[in-house]
Amino acid sequence: GDSVTQMEGPVTLSEEAFLTINCTYTATGYPSLFWYVQYPGEGLQLLLKATKADDKGSNKGFEATYRKETTSFHLEKGSVQVSDSAVYFCALLSTGGFKTIFGAGTRLFVKA
Amino acid sequence: EADIYQTPRYLVIGTGKKITLECSQTMGHDKMYWYQQDPGMELHLIHYSYGVNSTEKGDLSSESTVSRIRTEHFPLTLESARPSHTSQYLCASSDFSGSKHTQYFGPGTRLTVL
Repeated sequence: GDSVTQMEGPVTLSEEAFLTINCTYTATGYPSLFWYVQYPGEGLQLLLKATKADDKGSNKGFEATYRKETTSFHLEKGSVQVSDSAVYFCALLSTGGFKTIFGAGTRLFVKA
Repeated sequence: EADIYQTPRYLVIGTGKKITLECSQTMGHDKMYWYQQDPGMELHLIHYSYGVNSTEKGDLSSESTVSRIRTEHFPLTLESARPSHTSQYLCASSDFSGSKHTQYFGPGTRLTVL
């Protein structure tokens, strides 16, 4: 079945460091791919998405590129801030599917 | 900003009590979901609905039940709460249209059963 694997956390970075959170997926067809973020005490919210191969999703300085050849959707940000401290979830929606498959989440801590 | 609401935000109750967690959305979305989130953060789908009068069990077996009498309302009920039900419960909704199934989440209910 479809699945999402993302790097384990926690990830601890200093402010202004470069961030990469790896995400790979297994799916048939052409899934849509998502990154969601969960700030402390809140529900998840969509950060960015990509719906076809080579699409780049971007928002708030974060970006991720849909790579079908490597079945990956890694999240990157050039310079993190303390306010980026949160849990990040990679997710996919199968072609014609109705359920979103979430990864296990990666907690990010950013130190001032 | 998503218009999806959950009440209560926090609930502490004793074993054996019946509880209902409320979830409402004002976006007119057809699909709604309940997730259980464990302390390790992983999300587990426990119930979902395609629309009014539709309810389905999710991937994680749960003793809770849901109903969908109105489009905007998707409450979750535990007939007899137990300590093993202690968790964070997240409600979400999505539509079938061009938004490509983006899910909108409520803020969650943190349930503690003593």
